[in-house]
Amino acid sequence: GIQVEQSPPDLILQEGANSTLRCNFSDSVNNLQWFHQNPWGQLINLFYIPSGTKQNGRLSATTVATERYSLLYISSSQTTDSGVYFCAVGNTGNQFYFGTGTSLTVIP
Amino acid sequence: DTGVSQNPRHKITKRGQNVTFRCDPISEHNRLYWYRQTLGQGPEFLTYFQNEAQLEKSRLLSDRFSAERPKGSFSTLEIQRTEQGDSAMYLCASSSGTWTANTEAFFGQGTRLTVV
Repeated sequence: GIQVEQSPPDLILQEGANSTLRCNFSDSVNNLQWFHQNPWGQLINLFYIPSGTKQNGRLSATTVATERYSLLYISSSQTTDSGVYFCAVGNTGNQFYFGTGTSLTVIP
Repeated sequence: DTGVSQNPRHKITKRGQNVTFRCDPISEHNRLYWYRQTLGQGPEFLTYFQNEAQLEKSRLLSDRFSAERPKGSFSTLEIQRTEQGDSAMYLCASSSGTWTANTEAFFGQGTRLTVV
């Protein structure tokens, strides 16, 4: 299977700060998603981004598929951004492989 | 469409009992996935269906686990003779897909199982 590594594992930010989360993967992929897991455990879709760059409000993501990594940028962080962020990848049309996540805490 | 729906949201059961979870995917999606997540870990793949066919099963899916998607719509995941190690969040997702690629997947709210 595909190995997915996310960094950093834990991140503590002051409200208003910016951050970059990284996802490295071990094989070529044609599917990559970023999720935010809320305190109740649901995975909320942030980006479907197998390649290129997308932006949605304060969040943006870039995937460089040829170099096997993706970045999630959070600007002007808010306390509601706290939670665990997961990257998930796939390449065969079958299962998605998840990383172990980045746990983000934003303090007021 | 309201997204992927899972029931029940929480289940507490005694060790040795059988439990069954249900997942209703987004109606136009032909693919349905089951994942399991334990505390502090990312979700781990269990199995997936393309329409009613179960196409892949993880080795995590022991003989005590069985999943069905009888008419290519909703799916059930049954765990027989539950063990304390089965305690986890069980997540269902759906997407559209071909043999080589998937579209964006959407997850349900999960079923949290506690085996006592």
